[in-house]
Amino acid sequence: KQEVTQIPAALSVPEGENLVLNCSFTDSAIYNLQWFRQDPGKGLTSLLLIQSSQREQTSGRLNASLDKSSGRSTLYIAASQPGDSATYLCAVRDYGGSQGNLIFGKGTKLSVKP
Amino acid sequence: GAGVSQSPRYKVAKRGQDVALRCDPISGHVSLFWYQQALGQGPEFLTYFQNEAQLDKSGLPSDRFFAERPEGSVSTLKIQRTQQEDSAVYLCASSLSASGPSGANVLTFGAGSRLTVL
Repeated sequence: KQEVTQIPAALSVPEGENLVLNCSFTDSAIYNLQWFRQDPGKGLTSLLLIQSSQREQTSGRLNASLDKSSGRSTLYIAASQPGDSATYLCAVRDYGGSQGNLIFGKGTKLSVKP
Repeated sequence: GAGVSQSPRYKVAKRGQDVALRCDPISGHVSLFWYQQALGQGPEFLTYFQNEAQLDKSGLPSDRFFAERPEGSVSTLKIQRTQQEDSAVYLCASSLSASGPSGANVLTFGAGSRLTVL
């Protein structure tokens, strides 16, 4: 059974710092991996999606990498801002799962201090 | 609509009561998904519809949980005889695509319905 782990569970950094969030998964047979952002009381916003054949994806200050063989992904946030404060969730879709049957980690709660 | 709308936003139920949670997906979105998110946890998949067909209900935790999407748009998640362990945020998401397994499935999530069972 696929398990997704995110480290650290919480992170507090000063504004302007570059940071890395980690995600690991136990079964490398995945279709894709996504990073989401969740703000309190709100739904999830998809940030980046990496197909299994890709190594990384970039959007603005965000860069996500995928090493499928080792079961790891990282989300790099450059020049962090207070508006980046949120919970970041990693999710994988297995080969055996239907579309939308995503397996999520518990998330990393990020706080960026002004 | 502009986004995925869920109602009610908050629901308090006494143990044993039945509840119904509604999801209005983005107009024209073919696929609809329900997730359950307990406090401090990531969302867990419940069920998936493609139009009105429920293609995957493997995540429904018990036969007290039932979901429907009779006309391929609005969906209702019903929980019968609620238990305290049902307390969670129930998230609905939709996507335009009905693509096959290799397709990207970028989901748009609603804000969720927070259920508290006393």
